[in-house]
Amino acid sequence: GAVVSQHPSWVICKSGTSVKIECRSLDFQATTMFWYRQFPKQSLMLMATSNEGSKATYEQGVEKDKFLINHASLTLSTLTVTSAHPEDSSFYICSASPLIAGGPQQFFGPGTRLTVL
Amino acid sequence: KQEVTQIPAALSVPEGENLVLNCSFTDSAIYNLQWFRQDPGKGLTSLLLIQSSQREQTSGRLNASLDKSSGRSTLYIAASQPGDSATYLCAAPKVSSGSARQLTFGSGTQLTVLP
Repeated sequence: GAVVSQHPSWVICKSGTSVKIECRSLDFQATTMFWYRQFPKQSLMLMATSNEGSKATYEQGVEKDKFLINHASLTLSTLTVTSAHPEDSSFYICSASPLIAGGPQQFFGPGTRLTVL
Repeated sequence: KQEVTQIPAALSVPEGENLVLNCSFTDSAIYNLQWFRQDPGKGLTSLLLIQSSQREQTSGRLNASLDKSSGRSTLYIAASQPGDSATYLCAAPKVSSGSARQLTFGSGTQLTVLP
């Protein structure tokens, strides 16, 4: 089956630093990847839609200058949390949609736990 | 704007019981509805996807139904096992986006199956 990986699986950083999270589709190409955020005891909230070779589309209330998304290839999207603050501490999950399937299919990564001190 | 609600928020049952998890959504013009499982601190595992033209889908001990007219879906788990303990999430597409892949998630039902 289709596999999506995320790296790192967890990261701890100091307030004010930037953190990069990678999302890779390991055995398929993905024109579109999605980034979600999940706070403790809450559900996933869509942050942005990442399209290969074009700018990401951000959901209302998500700061594009704070959460930088790059989708440089059909197998890799990165999310960079710039000038991280403790309120950015969360579980970040990506999903990837196969190039060929078209429809609703998407596969989720295992998530990255970010803790900002 | 699509809103997805799940009840109950938490459920604890003895092993072997059959159980039903509920999901409701506000905009019935959906392409599909999906059920996922999330283990603590982990990502999502897709369980079932019901297309808008379907009324139910089955996989092993799991059966999901969809009633678009009432804005409801249920996940039925037969003969529950301790290994079924997890949080179950339902998700419907953001209708306004026109994309079947941008999902709005419910808050989940945390299931505990006691041995």
